[in-house]
Amino acid sequence: NAGVTQTPKFQVLKTGQSMTLQCAQDMNHNSMYWYRQDPGMGLRLIYYSASEGTTDKGEVPNGYNVSRLNKREFSLRLESAAPSQTSVYFCASSEASQRVYEQYFGPGTRLTVT
Amino acid sequence: AQSVTQLDSQVPVFEEAPVELRCNYSSSVSVYLFWYVQYPNQGLQLLLKYLSGSTLVESINGFEAEFNKSQTSFHLRKPSVHISDTAEYFCAVTSSNTGKLIFGQGTTLQVKP
Repeated sequence: NAGVTQTPKFQVLKTGQSMTLQCAQDMNHNSMYWYRQDPGMGLRLIYYSASEGTTDKGEVPNGYNVSRLNKREFSLRLESAAPSQTSVYFCASSEASQRVYEQYFGPGTRLTVT
Repeated sequence: AQSVTQLDSQVPVFEEAPVELRCNYSSSVSVYLFWYVQYPNQGLQLLLKYLSGSTLVESINGFEAEFNKSQTSFHLRKPSVHISDTAEYFCAVTSSNTGKLIFGQGTTLQVKP
């Protein structure tokens, strides 16, 4: 099992450009999440998807959109990138049928917006 | 609302010394608690978790954490650290009715030879 995979690993954008971060999991998990990690702030939830076909906002959703394409894939889109979106982005998944939502993380995407 | 506070942003320690990374949480409902570790340029890996039962939980690499409900704490300890323990450590909390993890700010453990 590959677990949670993310593409790309690194990306540099100019202000105003758009891009989509891809995430896929092969653990048959129902729930998937997108976080951003910034120094001194831990991880903050951007969006999550409790199950296929549903998405909900997290703590910092502004400037982002998501798509739960199917049970395996959950993408994050930046429509018009801003320097404040320079960050490391992590995707995670968990099995919602268990009472405890232990999350498994991907390796991350390092995004720089100039 | 739930929140997690990691009281130290950086903890420098010499190899083979003991270490404690502090974590306090606030929540009005029952919680599950986690410690995750992030090695340089990698994603997060689960280190240990408290779900229920014994308040002392252990990881396979010598770390342990104790759930203290009265003090709302879940401090992480290791009696003797190694250079390879150098990493960032995150405390996280979730409640059974949301599934969403709330993370602390992270503590960087720097083990010196």
